[in-house]
Amino acid sequence: GAVVSQHPSRVICKSGTSVKIECRSLDFQATTMFWYRQFPKQSLMLMATSNEGSKATYEQGVEKDKFLINHASLTLSTLTVTSAHPEDSSFYICSARLAAGTDTQYFGPGTRLTVL
Amino acid sequence: GESVGLHLPTLSVQEGDNSIINCAYSNSASDYFIWYKQESGKGPQFIIDIRSNMDKRQGQRVTVLLNKTVKHLSLQIAATQPGDSAVYFCAENTNQAGTALIFGKGTTLSVSS
Repeated sequence: GAVVSQHPSRVICKSGTSVKIECRSLDFQATTMFWYRQFPKQSLMLMATSNEGSKATYEQGVEKDKFLINHASLTLSTLTVTSAHPEDSSFYICSARLAAGTDTQYFGPGTRLTVL
Repeated sequence: GESVGLHLPTLSVQEGDNSIINCAYSNSASDYFIWYKQESGKGPQFIIDIRSNMDKRQGQRVTVLLNKTVKHLSLQIAATQPGDSAVYFCAENTNQAGTALIFGKGTTLSVSS
């Protein structure tokens, strides 16, 4: 099956710093990638849709200037949490759509962000 | 807000029993549904999917049932094993290009030996 990786798997940072999370499709090209956030005991909440070569589409309530998304290639999307605060501590998960016009999505293993 | 929800937040079963996890959805335009399993600290793992032109689909030890009349989705796990213990999410998609999945709240399945 298709594999999606995320790096790092967990990160601890100080409040006010920025953190970059990478999402890679290892054996397929993904024109669309999605970023989700999951708080403890809760479901996955969509943050943004990332399309290769264009600006990301953010969900209502998600600050685009705080959560910077770059999808520079068909195998890599990055999420940068800028000026992180303790309330940004969460589990960030990306998914990649196998091909345009298909429904199949593959999820990464997630990145645990802890902001002190 | 979320258009997909679950009837029960937790389900406890004995090893060997059959498990049924339910999900209700409200978006009548959704035509593709997926069940995911998520273990603690990991990303969602695909279990089985179904399209709206079907009402039943079977996999290995799992069956998904779709009732479009009442907008209800269920996941049946046969001969539940301790390794099945996890949180199960249903998700829906409207089959539009670029549309993300909308996840339900999740049901925690606990399997005891």
